[in-house]
Amino acid sequence: EAGVTQFPSHSVIEKGQTVTLRCDPISGHDNLYWYRRVMGKEIKFLLHFVKESKQDESGMPNNRFLAERTGGTYSTLKVQPAELEDSGVYFCASSQVPGETQYFGPGTRLLVL
Amino acid sequence: KNEVEQSPQNLTAQEGEFITINCSYSVGISALHWLQQHPGGGIVSLFMLSSGKKKHGRLIATINIQEKHSSLHITASHPRDSAVYICAVRDYGGSQGNLIFGKGTKLSVKP
Repeated sequence: EAGVTQFPSHSVIEKGQTVTLRCDPISGHDNLYWYRRVMGKEIKFLLHFVKESKQDESGMPNNRFLAERTGGTYSTLKVQPAELEDSGVYFCASSQVPGETQYFGPGTRLLVL
Repeated sequence: KNEVEQSPQNLTAQEGEFITINCSYSVGISALHWLQQHPGGGIVSLFMLSSGKKKHGRLIATINIQEKHSSLHITASHPRDSAVYICAVRDYGGSQGNLIFGKGTKLSVKP
């Protein structure tokens, strides 16, 4: 069974540009989570989807971040316009049942110059 | 002060040593996770526990809810155990996905 996949693995963009990150959860997992780790800090929760609905988006830093999960399968996280402080590693995870073991993707390393 | 504190931040051990990593938290929790992040960056979930103790191979995780403390033990450590070990808790009042993470403990096991 394929694990959680994320694309791209790395992205280098200039300040002001737009970047879209994609996450494909494990098939059948209704719960999808986005997290990010900025340099030197702990991983922080961004949001939680249950199917296509946003269950909790309390961790989204500001309105430059837009997450979608149309159809309840893969999810995208768009940053527009990107700022320097958005640099970090963005992780996606999925689980079958909320609150149970989450399976993490390899992360997308974003560098905003 | 972070709601989840881990100690030590860095740990170097010789192969075969018994290792303990500690996690203390300040919020009421419904579950605690131990995660492993390898040098390549991927994160693997090791344990999820809400009471008592769990064991998987050479790894043992314990939690004391009253003391708000958890430990991760590695017996007969091996260089392939070298990784960052992260403690994360699910706030009792938070949503099911909203994990609060510690900063991680970087473990290096020398042959």
